[in-house]
Amino acid sequence: DTGVSQNPRHKITKRGQNVTFRCDPISEHNRLYWYRQTLGQGPEFLTYFQNEAQLEKSRLLSDRFSAERPKGSFSTLEIQRTEQGDSAMYLCASSLEHKARDTQYFGPGTRLTVL
Amino acid sequence: SQQGEEDPQALSIQEGENATMNCSYKTSINNLQWYRQNSGRGLVHLILIRSNEREKHSGRLRVTLDTSKKSSSLLITASRAADTASYFCATDGAAGNKLTFGGGTRVLVKP
Repeated sequence: DTGVSQNPRHKITKRGQNVTFRCDPISEHNRLYWYRQTLGQGPEFLTYFQNEAQLEKSRLLSDRFSAERPKGSFSTLEIQRTEQGDSAMYLCASSLEHKARDTQYFGPGTRLTVL
Repeated sequence: SQQGEEDPQALSIQEGENATMNCSYKTSINNLQWYRQNSGRGLVHLILIRSNEREKHSGRLRVTLDTSKKSSSLLITASRAADTASYFCATDGAAGNKLTFGGGTRVLVKP
């Protein structure tokens, strides 16, 4: 399977704990995006990388959230001191920079439940 | 914040019928994309239409774009039970940047 993969698929944690998610993009894609989706809503942008550089962060990304893409390949998203409001599906997408179009391909998501 | 709004929010049709959903957005775009999402799963890319295009086809899908009205429509012809899903439009306002999604249309195709 050469698509975007995410691990874990599900995570249940207690409030106050830290969690880390991983995203492996399509191998030749240089752009990687994180989105968050709550029930019944469309995904909302969190942040994106071009290679290893984090180029944009949403104001949704509070200081409890940090994302890295150390070698320009896989990325991690860490949430510290989780809150119940962090419960959501966290989606990763990747794309290949192109002048004319920039189709983003999504992974299956990590569903986070904070108790 | 959500850029676009899909209309209707929910749609129920019989297998074999056509399904049409609309998307409106607020700011200038480079591209508009449609995605499908089955319950609790990731998003599957369906089709991308560029801002200088007016219509695109892919299999049973037909997408139109009217930039003067800031709106797009997705038509699924001869629907199948497997088309049951949520459909989202997403816009990007700058090359390679973030997608801004609407709230989605939940489509139920009854066999």
